[in-house]
Amino acid sequence: QQQVKQSPQSLIVQKGGISIINCAYENTAFDYFPWYQQFPGKGPALLIAIRPDVSEKKEGRFTISFNKSAKQFSLHIMDSQPGDSATYFCAALRGTGANSKLTFGKGITLSVRP
Amino acid sequence: NAGVTQTPKFRVLKTGQSMTLLCAQDMNHEYMYWYRQDPGMGLRLIHYSVGEGTTAKGEVPDGYNVSRLKKQNFLLGLESAAPSQTSVYFCASSYSIDYPYEQYFGPGTRLTVT
Repeated sequence: QQQVKQSPQSLIVQKGGISIINCAYENTAFDYFPWYQQFPGKGPALLIAIRPDVSEKKEGRFTISFNKSAKQFSLHIMDSQPGDSATYFCAALRGTGANSKLTFGKGITLSVRP
Repeated sequence: NAGVTQTPKFRVLKTGQSMTLLCAQDMNHEYMYWYRQDPGMGLRLIHYSVGEGTTAKGEVPDGYNVSRLKKQNFLLGLESAAPSQTSVYFCASSYSIDYPYEQYFGPGTRLTVT
């Protein structure tokens, strides 16, 4: 059972456009939602994260929107650039300390065309 | 700081052979993790450690063993490699018990089992 589902599976956006990646979760015990960015041949890197008591968080061109009632959250990349081309993973965290568990989505590949 | 490093970067094994993947971090992090990444599957947790001398099973632990004899090192062992273990393996570490989602990943080890 996949607990964190991402859509679409892949995304192609023109330079300057808005990239939108969606995630849905099932377990209401999740209490933190990070996004990771992975470039080819590299390990994932934390991009931005949000708590469920916040509806939106913005860091530069990256914004997370969170809808607790719908159990969905999304990543928006404004003014998308070719350098944003990467794989993006949403994730969800439950538990605390040694009992915490981070569950990743399958990832989506974003290509930004010049 | 080198961050999280992994050795080796690439390896080809024959079925039944054994090997050890080494992860080292110089950030004085308490938590360390081993993930595998397969196409269309996202990141799946194999084993993790919440401190020197401690290890615990993750989502897909079968066929793997780990050891954390020193705080900065986390070893992943394959006793008898199988083709199903062909994957890219990532090590990660995190410092804060309060924010375990802030994981720092290594560059990965690409393992092929023939």
